[in-house]
Amino acid sequence: EVRLVQSGAEVKKTGESLKISCKASGYIFDQYWIAWVRQMPGKGLEWMGSIFPGDSDSKYRSSLEGQVTMSVDKSTNTAYLQWRSLRASESGLYFCLRGTGQGNIAAAGYDAFDIWGQGTMVTVSS
Amino acid sequence: EIVMTQSPATLSVSPGETVTLSCRASQTVRSNLAWYQQRPGQSPRLLFYGASTRAPGIPTRFSVTGSEAEFTLTIRSLQSEDVAVYFCQQYNHWPLTFGGGTKVEIQ
Repeated sequence: EVRLVQSGAEVKKTGESLKISCKASGYIFDQYWIAWVRQMPGKGLEWMGSIFPGDSDSKYRSSLEGQVTMSVDKSTNTAYLQWRSLRASESGLYFCLRGTGQGNIAAAGYDAFDIWGQGTMVTVSS
Repeated sequence: EIVMTQSPATLSVSPGETVTLSCRASQTVRSNLAWYQQRPGQSPRLLFYGASTRAPGIPTRFSVTGSEAEFTLTIRSLQSEDVAVYFCQQYNHWPLTFGGGTKVEIQ
């Protein structure tokens, strides 16, 4: 079974660092893009960035560059999303997603997402 | 940034009815459009991608039409399990963007 299992909920204070994880199983981790999407309370979905585990090629939403860092550990089939200094506005539910790998632009990261993690709730308070 | 606009924001319908959800892109996304269903308390689930390719396990009472900048998701014979928020997503341009969602409720 193809799965993405995310790390548990986090409660942090503003200015603290955080690294959440997304462990993949049931498929060849290197071959599919992983994206991170956030969902603020009662709101829609916002794409944050995508990373290709095979070579760590990464695409970020421009407004988030420098604010978050995506990474992967191929030895454990795990993707990570990291903040150096959290802000209260970053409280929300964070999902990792797997690209479908279908279509002639999927290889470049332009993709829909067929597998979603269960989400990691991040709460940041002052 | 491509803005994806979904309408209506909320639909309240009776079981067995047919509902039509709209997704409009601020510029063409060709056929690089996906639809997702997010049931209460769950992660989103892929329904369609490539504008019209049904994901595995999605019932045939779900159907889609459209291309370029106008897309429609239709749900026939609405069932209680279809209560959810439905999102569209374009993947033709960076940044990838989602619509704000249409919430489907049972009357």
